[in-house]
Amino acid sequence: DVQLMESGGGLVQPGGSLRLSCAASGLIFNSYAMSWVRQAPGKGLEWVSGIGNSGATTYYADSVKGRFTISRDNSNNAVHLQMNSLRPEDTAVYYCARVTSYYCDYWGQGTLVTVSS
Amino acid sequence: DIQMTQSPSSLSASVGDRVTITCRASQSISTSLNWYQQKPGKAPKLLIYFASTLQNGVPSRFRGSGSGTDFTLTISSLQPEDFATYYCQQSHSTLVYTFGQGTKVEIK
Repeated sequence: DVQLMESGGGLVQPGGSLRLSCAASGLIFNSYAMSWVRQAPGKGLEWVSGIGNSGATTYYADSVKGRFTISRDNSNNAVHLQMNSLRPEDTAVYYCARVTSYYCDYWGQGTLVTVSS
Repeated sequence: DIQMTQSPSSLSASVGDRVTITCRASQSISTSLNWYQQKPGKAPKLLIYFASTLQNGVPSRFRGSGSGTDFTLTISSLQPEDFATYYCQQSHSTLVYTFGQGTKVEIK
C-alpha cells in the first residue's frame, strides 16, 4: 500500500528556514511526480510546488517562488521542501502528495509549520 | 496562472438531497479538472479526475461533468458521511495545479 509520511514541521521565527521531508513507500517512487500542498488554519488548499519524476523539472506557486526549493532523492524514496525567508503567512499544514497522470491520488497526513516570533 | 472559482462557498443540505457544486476556470482547461473531498483534520481525498472519471472506491452517487471552463460536481443523494469540504483543482498547467477556494457542505 502506498504511504507518504511528512516530517520536519515545527515553530520557526519569521525570516527563518525549515526543511520538510516526505518519505514514500509502497510505490515505484521514480515513476511519479510529487507535490507539496499547504493549508493555512481554517483556509483552503494551496498548491505550493511540484517536481517531475526525475527531479529535472520543478514548479512553484508565485507565493513561494524564490524562497522555497523542492528536491527529491530517488535512491531513498523521499521528496523535500526547503523553505527559506519564512513569513507568518507561510503558517500551514503542509501535505505531500503523489501525482499520477495529472491528479493527486495519495496524500500524507501533513506536518504543521508555524511561523511566529 | 489559471484561477479556479467555486460556488457556492458553503451550502446547507439534508440527507437525501441532491447537491451541485460548480467550478469555473479562468481559461479553458479541457477536462483537466479534479475534485477532492476533505474532512476536518484529514488529508484531502481524490473523488474524480479528468472531470468525470470516478476514483476507485468512490460511491457512484458522486458525478463530475463539464469541459472547457465550466465544471460541476453532483452528489445525487447526500449521505451523512458526505458532509465535508469539496475542492476543485485544475491540472492543465504543468505541475502548478491550482485549487478552487472550496465549498463546505453542512447539515441543514
